[in-house]
Amino acid sequence: GAVVSQHPSWVICKSGTSVKIECRSLDFQATTMFWYRQFPKQSLMLMATSNEGSKATYEQGVEKDKFLINHASLTLSTLTVTSAHPEDSSFYICSASSFVGLGNQPQHFGDGTRLSIL
Amino acid sequence: SQKIEQNSEALNIQEGKTATLTCNYTNYSPAYLQWYRQDPGRGPVFLLLIRENEKEKRKERLKVTFDTTLKQSLFHITASQPADSATYLCALPRNNDMRFGAGTRLTVKP
Repeated sequence: GAVVSQHPSWVICKSGTSVKIECRSLDFQATTMFWYRQFPKQSLMLMATSNEGSKATYEQGVEKDKFLINHASLTLSTLTVTSAHPEDSSFYICSASSFVGLGNQPQHFGDGTRLSIL
Repeated sequence: SQKIEQNSEALNIQEGKTATLTCNYTNYSPAYLQWYRQDPGRGPVFLLLIRENEKEKRKERLKVTFDTTLKQSLFHITASQPADSATYLCALPRNNDMRFGAGTRLTVKP
């Protein structure tokens, strides 16, 4: 149980392109979804938290107009990297929880999206 | 500021030995702590959760301890196997999300 699917797993595109990443909870309703960014050999850095039906809460330093998050249903959240540039190249990972916030529940992660901007 | 430090970036051990990974934290008073495993190019997978009132938690070959006085958690893998090679992350709650350490990359050599 508690499967999170993330798509695409890998994308290469030209600078200036907008890229959409999908995160789906397959067998549970995800009240809360989290989006992380991870650089090589570094920890997961939380970008934003989204609750279904409301605006995402962004971490300090994360541009909300650059990283658009939509959580329109209890099973789907999307992250759109708008006008991507090489410095946006990274590994993006989503996670989902069936609770508002976390309580003391584990997070269920997708397998990540490797984004490379040329 | 709040910090989570995992003792070393990399740990190499021989198959069959016990691996011990350390997670230290400062400026936190967590009600619980979690450990995750992450394989290259994959998302983290939850392993264990230990609460502040629990000194030790076990799951198969895994054992986690939690010392709130030392502000430290130890993660042990006994009878380690090459398949245990991965990066292990500790995570602490902060408000409504979790904060992760940078991880320790464990390599178990046959």
